[in-house]
Formats: sequence, C-alpha cells, structure tokens
Amino acid sequence: DTGVSQDPRHKITKRGQNVTFRCDPISEHNRLYWYRQTLGQGPEFLTYFQNEAQLEKSRLLSDRFSAERPKGSFSTLEIQRTEQGDSAMYLCASSEGASYNEQFFGPGTRLTVL
Amino acid sequence: AQTVTQSQPEMSVQEAETVTLSCTYDTSESDYYLFWYKQPPSRQMILVIRQEAYKQQNATENRFSVNFQKAAKSFSLKISDSQLGDAAMYFCAYLVEEGGSEKLVFGKGTKLTVNP
Repeated sequence: DTGVSQDPRHKITKRGQNVTFRCDPISEHNRLYWYRQTLGQGPEFLTYFQNEAQLEKSRLLSDRFSAERPKGSFSTLEIQRTEQGDSAMYLCASSEGASYNEQFFGPGTRLTVL
Repeated sequence: AQTVTQSQPEMSVQEAETVTLSCTYDTSESDYYLFWYKQPPSRQMILVIRQEAYKQQNATENRFSVNFQKAAKSFSLKISDSQLGDAAMYFCAYLVEEGGSEKLVFGKGTKLTVNP
C-alpha cells in the first residue's frame, strides 16, 4: 500500500459547475477525514467517517457539499454550484483503530474556481 | 471550543543549529492528544511527533522533541541539528473527541527556513 491517494490532484472549474473529488484511504483504515486548507492557513475539518457512517459534518460544509463513503472504502466529496470561495486545497486523511492514532494525509486536490 | 495558536508565522535556523517552534492551545479537558505535523512544499503532511496529555514525560523522536507544559497549555517543538530537509510548514494540532466523532484542530502554522 502506497498511502492515501486523491484524485484529481488539480481541478479548475468555472463558477456554478459541480465537482467531485475522490479519496482512497490506506486499505485497513476504518476512519476517514476531509479537511480544507486555504493559503496561509492550517487545515480545517470538514467531515469524518467511521467505516461507512458519516459521524460529523462541520458548519463549513454548506448544503452544496456532500460526502459519501460507500462500503467503508473510498470516499467522494462533491461540491455543487461552486463559488470562488470554494477555491482551496482539499485534504483527505485516514487512520486505524484508536482515535489518537496518526492520521495519514493524502496529497490533496487543489481546486480553483474561476 | 478548543483553539490552537502558533504565534510565529515564520522562523529561520542555520543548518546544524537548534530551533524551537511555539504552540499554545485552549481546552477544558484533562486528557487529550497533541501533534506536530510537517508539510514540505508541494508535498503531503506527515506526522512529526505526538504527545498524550496524561504522560508527564516529553515525547522525543530522534532530532525532534517537545516541551509540554500542561498547566501553561504550551506544546513547543524543538528541532536539533537542523537539516535542509527540515524546511517546511509546521502545524501544531489538537485532537478533539466528542459525540463519537473526532477531528484535528490545527494552528495556522509556522514556516521554517533552514539556511545552509
């Protein structure tokens, strides 16, 4: 296993379009997280899955955002009707077992909304 | 709500010297976990070191060590014998666990430059 992977690495879209990002966690990891990172800031939590259950959604995740993790494997993050303020790096992380275990991060998907 | 503050937006160090990055946090919990993550330019974030609050002993990982002051809610990172490869953004993070969920709360980061 080579770690957490994310696809695409870069996405440029026009305002109002829908985009979908994919995250493949490390195979034995049951916990999956999405974070958003804007320039000059630390990552901000978006949502958390334990297996296929979405246990928390941040207030940052408006109704235009939806995340899924079917069968507790890969996860997708969809943004509908994108806005320029959605431009950011979207990071996925996964971990196994206890909550204090290391979260392994993917390389991120950089979204630019024109 | 838990918050994490990194008061040094940028730091620089000479190769082979020692540097300390500061982090303070706010919490009402007595047991919690703190982390330092490193984000090299255009590369993914990796864990540097982790500290459990109930442990009195400061965590150490090779050239990286922490100074954990629980009463002061301070969690600084010391990098000894700095190397060019240490140049990166460093983020301090606090693990929030509540209602069956968990998440990391990050500071804004410190950009570390290592001068040859």
